[in-house]
Amino acid sequence: AQSVTQLDSQVPVFEEAPVELRCNYSSSVSVYLFWYVQYPNQGLQLLLKYLSGSTLVKGINGFEAEFNKSQTSFHLRKPSVHISDTAEYFCARAAGNKLTFGGGTRVLVKP
Amino acid sequence: DAGVIQSPRHEVTEMGQEVTLRCKPISGHDYLFWYRQTMMRGLELLIYFNNNVPIDDSGMPEDRFSAKMPNASFSTLKIQPSEPRDSAVYFCASRKGGSDYEQYFGPGTRLTVT
Repeated sequence: AQSVTQLDSQVPVFEEAPVELRCNYSSSVSVYLFWYVQYPNQGLQLLLKYLSGSTLVKGINGFEAEFNKSQTSFHLRKPSVHISDTAEYFCARAAGNKLTFGGGTRVLVKP
Repeated sequence: DAGVIQSPRHEVTEMGQEVTLRCKPISGHDYLFWYRQTMMRGLELLIYFNNNVPIDDSGMPEDRFSAKMPNASFSTLKIQPSEPRDSAVYFCASRKGGSDYEQYFGPGTRLTVT
């Protein structure tokens, strides 16, 4: 079965420091990958997606992710985080008509 | 566009009662998904519809759960009878058919069964 693994369940980080959230997927011929963010008491919101083309994908709020086929990874990065980035982040891949989600990574930004 | 609309936002009910959650997808979207989110199990897909037809309900926990989509702009998820272990946040999401698989999520319904 196609799967998505988020290696870190929680990531504490200081304000203005960089952050990287790791995501690995089980390999497949075609891969469509997504990062979603869930702020407290809200639904999921798309940060960015990779469907094809450039392996470096830029999203909203200064986030970017790099698709690495050889390492089957799609790590999310932000060079300088804000308090408002405190949220849970989900990596997902398309599987047929559905999305398969990773377990989520909670990011806590400390002042 | 108003986005995916879910109601109610919060529901507190007693064990054994019937619960109905509602969802209005984004206009023009022909896929609709119901998810459940808990601390223990994370985000689980319960069922999804395409053009109002249920396609995959393999994630529905048991017969107490049922979902319908009578038309393109409305879907319900019903739990009868409800149990405390059904307490969770239930999300509805929709997407447009085609090669872009992006799903748009509603704000969720927080269900508490006492």
